[in-house]
Amino acid sequence: DTGVSQDPRHKITKRGQNVTFRCDPISEHNRLYWYRQTLGQGPEFLTYFQNEAQLEKSRLLSDRFSAERPKGSFSTLEIQRTEQGDSAMYLCASRDGLSYEQYFGPGTRLTVT
Amino acid sequence: DAKTTQPTSMDCAEGRAANLPCNHSTISGNEYVYWYRQIHSQGPQYIIHGLKNNETNEMASLIITEDRKSSTLILPHATLRDTAVYYCIVRVASGANSMLTFGKGITLSVRP
Repeated sequence: DTGVSQDPRHKITKRGQNVTFRCDPISEHNRLYWYRQTLGQGPEFLTYFQNEAQLEKSRLLSDRFSAERPKGSFSTLEIQRTEQGDSAMYLCASRDGLSYEQYFGPGTRLTVT
Repeated sequence: DAKTTQPTSMDCAEGRAANLPCNHSTISGNEYVYWYRQIHSQGPQYIIHGLKNNETNEMASLIITEDRKSSTLILPHATLRDTAVYYCIVRVASGANSMLTFGKGITLSVRP
C-alpha cells in the first residue's frame, strides 16, 4: 500500500454512460498525475495537477474527459459518453515538490461494454 | 525525454541475480535514469534512479555506463515476488511537470 487510494477499483459500464473515478493522494503531496494503461502497454500520461491547478493535459485527454482537484487534495476523473476504446486501467500518482518518486495508486479498471 | 530500449522479456532462477539491461543512447546531460516496476494488477512502484554514478538501495543496484548510453538494474537475489514488468525511464529530474513516459518495459519472470 503506497498511501494513494483510488475508488472504485473496478467499473463496468455500458457505452454512452458517464463514469467518474476518484483518487486520494498522500496527504502532503501537492502534485497529482493521472495515467491510462491499456493491456500490454506501459502507462500513458493524461494530466497533471499542482495543488488545485491543472497545469498540463495530454492530447490523449479528449473533450469527453475532464479532471478536477478542487481543493488541492483528492482528484476526480470523469469520462462522458464512454466508448469501448476507453476500456483501460486508470492510474493516479502523487508526489511532493521535493521528491523524484511518484507514488501510484492501485488503479481503477474500466470496462466499457 | 530520451527514448529507452529494453528487451521484451527475460527470466532468472530464484535466489540468483537478475540483470535487466536498458539502452538510452540519446540521453542528454541533465537526464536521469529511473526504474519502476509493476507487479500484476498493481500500480507501478519506484525502484531507483541515478544520473551517472552507480546507485544502490534496499531494493536494487543501478549500474550506468561511463558514456551513460546504457544501464543495468540488478536485483541481487531475485525472489518469486520480483516477477513483474520493469520500466526504464529517462527524463529530466525537475521538469515542469515531471510526468513519466513509460515504454513497454521488460517482463521479468523469476522461476522456482
